[in-house]
Amino acid sequence: KAGVTQTPRYLIKTRGQQVTLSCSPISGHRSVSWYQQTPGQGLQFLFEYFSETQRNKGNFPGRFSGRQFSNSRSEMNVSTLELGDSALYLCASSLARQVPYNEQFFGPGTRLTVL
Amino acid sequence: GQQLNQSPQSMFIQEGEDVSMNCTSSSIFNTWLWYKQDPGEGPVLLIALYKAGELTSNGRLTAQFGITRKDSFLNISASIPSDVGIYFCGRGYSTLTFGKGTMLLVSP
Repeated sequence: KAGVTQTPRYLIKTRGQQVTLSCSPISGHRSVSWYQQTPGQGLQFLFEYFSETQRNKGNFPGRFSGRQFSNSRSEMNVSTLELGDSALYLCASSLARQVPYNEQFFGPGTRLTVL
Repeated sequence: GQQLNQSPQSMFIQEGEDVSMNCTSSSIFNTWLWYKQDPGEGPVLLIALYKAGELTSNGRLTAQFGITRKDSFLNISASIPSDVGIYFCGRGYSTLTFGKGTMLLVSP
């Protein structure tokens, strides 16, 4: 079974631009979560989508948004990029089985650099 | 907010040594997850724990869910060079909270 895939793997943008990252979950997984990883803050939760609906949201500004499609694929968008948005963006998928048996499996991440 | 304290921050050991790291939480939760992350890759799930007191092994790795439900530890026995990486504890359901990670370096 293929794992979680993320595209692109690397991205360089300049301040003020916007960016869209894509995530394809493991086949059959209906929940997709996004995380931001930086050396200073570690891994921080951005948002979670389930059945095309945002189910949970972390403490990030409105410039960060996402969506999920009917095939469970997800995208996240960051508008008006800032230098501090440089990070590894990780997507994780899960079966969303009955709590607590709900392990999340991560993709390789998209490394975003904002210049 | 929820806080996870993970220690130690880093470890430098000799191949063959045993390693222990732990996470403590400011509140009770029902799931502990341990992940390993290699450079440039996403975290890989190692062990999942669901019950207080639960002890689970995965090869040379053993993890336990503390009976107070506020802590967990991960042991690695007979370390090898490929154990190098960052180990994260995490807890939660659909929104995971992570510790800051323990960086493990193994000298051959």
